[in-house]
Amino acid sequence: GQQVMQIPQYQHVQEGEDFTTYCNSSTTLSNIQWYKQRPGGHPVFLIQLVKSGEVKKQKRLTFQFGEAKKNSSLHITATQTTDVGTYFCAGPGPYALNFGKGTSLLVTP
Amino acid sequence: KAGVTQTPRYLIKTRGQQVTLSCSPISGHRSVSWYQQTPGQGLQFLFEYFSETQRNKGNFPGRFSGRQFSNSRSEMNVSTLELGDSALYLCASSSEGYTQYFGPGTRLTVL
Repeated sequence: GQQVMQIPQYQHVQEGEDFTTYCNSSTTLSNIQWYKQRPGGHPVFLIQLVKSGEVKKQKRLTFQFGEAKKNSSLHITATQTTDVGTYFCAGPGPYALNFGKGTSLLVTP
Repeated sequence: KAGVTQTPRYLIKTRGQQVTLSCSPISGHRSVSWYQQTPGQGLQFLFEYFSETQRNKGNFPGRFSGRQFSNSRSEMNVSTLELGDSALYLCASSSEGYTQYFGPGTRLTVL
């Protein structure tokens, strides 16, 4: 069945450094979604990408959807301590959203 | 609009007991999904209810069940609890498509 893989599993950066997490699907996706979960919190929807090659920005966050619609990335420029958390990508499967296992970001001041 | 609410927030049970968790979706949302989140397995889909009918089901044993009421509120039940059922149980509601709006979760500890 469809699987969504994310790398890296963990990332530790100094505040001000950039961060990127990558998401790969075993099948072509109609869309991909990104969620953020703060420590002790619950996943919060960030964005949905639908078009091949689509790029969307939210302040310091840049989301890309690959040309083949099988991969995606989230890039954070100049990380801040408020960026700490786990970032999940999710793609629609045959009966539900399939979530990647997430990338946990730790930002050291 | 008020967000998704879940009760209780924390629960401690012993092996063999059963537990019922409750979820109230965002007003107007008819789809409610349940997920189990553990450090090792990540977010795993349990089931989805839409208009009081189970529409989709994940790969969990029959000890996990749920239902949805006419006001879209949903309950999840786990019978004969096992140690491995300790997890954060998240409910999410959706109005259309797949975008999930999650509640704060119920942290279940099985002793």
